[in-house]
Amino acid sequence: GEDVEQSLFLSVREGDSSVINCTYTDSSSTYLYWYKQEPGAGLQLLTYIFSNMDMKQDQRLTVLLNKKDKHLSLRIADTQTGDSAIYFCAESLNYGGATNKLIFGTGTLLAVQP
Amino acid sequence: DSGVTQTPKHLITATGQRVTLRCSPRSGDLSVYWYQQSLDQGLQFLIQYYNGEERAKGNILERFSAQQFPDLHSELNLSSLELGDSALYFCASSVDPGTGFGYTFGSGTRLTVV
Repeated sequence: GEDVEQSLFLSVREGDSSVINCTYTDSSSTYLYWYKQEPGAGLQLLTYIFSNMDMKQDQRLTVLLNKKDKHLSLRIADTQTGDSAIYFCAESLNYGGATNKLIFGTGTLLAVQP
Repeated sequence: DSGVTQTPKHLITATGQRVTLRCSPRSGDLSVYWYQQSLDQGLQFLIQYYNGEERAKGNILERFSAQQFPDLHSELNLSSLELGDSALYFCASSVDPGTGFGYTFGSGTRLTVV
């Protein structure tokens, strides 16, 4: 199947770390992405990781990839109220040539309490 | 500005009508993707075009069709509209559809069917 699973909701206090988890399905995915969506807005690319990497750090964001378990996580350090949004993970599925699609997870609503 | 342009931003129409959503990809990107985001279905892949040719199809209804023109812009046509077609429709383009790298999303068209 092509189901990408995420927990629905996460609540943290401002200044704490947030960890959002994702389980994907296709072990041949080349790139895995994290997108942020604020209410009424579009999809903002936060970060991505190539499938041959275990970890990627980008300022306050750390992505961990466990290919064996098909598990992806996004850690946000020093979470701020402006980080409140829905976070989507997505896996890139390739079918040869220039045929490709992104499969999105269900999204995790991150609520940051002041 | 992501470089992917979608018009119109908002559209309100009646059931049974037909609408056309337009997307201009980021300069240099040959591949265009359409996604539908609704409350009950989440973010669903609809269709991919690469250099004018359909490459991948997702859960796209028969009432929906798309095309990519020689100048690489794409249109998504939705006909015989139903209340359940109300959703946010995103277009994306990618740098390298062969690997699934470099997706960029437009800000979306919000369709309301009344």
